[in-house]
Amino acid sequence: AQSVTQLDSQVPVFEEAPVELRCNYSSSVSVYLFWYVQYPNQGLQLLLKYLSGSTLVKGINGFEAEFNKSQTSFHLRKPSVHISDTAEYFCAVSPIYNQGGKLIFGQGTELSVKP
Amino acid sequence: DVKVTQSSRYLVKRTGEKVFLECVQDMDHENMFWYRQDPGLGLRLIYFSYDVKMKEKGDIPEGYSVSREKKERFSLILESASTNQTSMYLCASSPPLRPRGNTIYFGEGSWLTVV
Repeated sequence: AQSVTQLDSQVPVFEEAPVELRCNYSSSVSVYLFWYVQYPNQGLQLLLKYLSGSTLVKGINGFEAEFNKSQTSFHLRKPSVHISDTAEYFCAVSPIYNQGGKLIFGQGTELSVKP
Repeated sequence: DVKVTQSSRYLVKRTGEKVFLECVQDMDHENMFWYRQDPGLGLRLIYFSYDVKMKEKGDIPEGYSVSREKKERFSLILESASTNQTSMYLCASSPPLRPRGNTIYFGEGSWLTVV
């Protein structure tokens, strides 16, 4: 079985500051890794994903994440946040050989960017 | 453009009512999913389907059933709604996870309140 833990439920930051949203996972098999963003009253939108290859993955809106296999982590970073980045962020994994590619999600991290 | 459409954004139903949540995707995707989203719990998989008339239980199937008679449509059914099913429900679809690179696309969600 797989599980995902997002270590911070809420992260308040000031505009133009850097931010890191932390994600750890547990799995006995190889997984794909994802970060999704949910803006207020909307569905989820894919930010980035790690399938294989380079452990540093770049996504949309200036976000990037680094896969660390030894620490089973996939932390999300942005060097300078904007007010518009205020949203909830979800880390998710999917077992590579899983039929249908279902996702297992973390609990979510609310990013609040203040002026 | 990719589109997953959930027929109702906001519903209020009475305890014991039968509730249908409808989801349609226009991308000819094989896989479709129903998730439930609750604060502090993230998204939890209720049911998924990887083909017409095929379904598999997710992590929290109790109290729910699904129907997939056509490839583009996946319905979630609450046979007898209860107040603990008050939640946000998210539908999603994807092509098979392999070959690599495929993304799961989400609808905007249906807010269900059971009174």
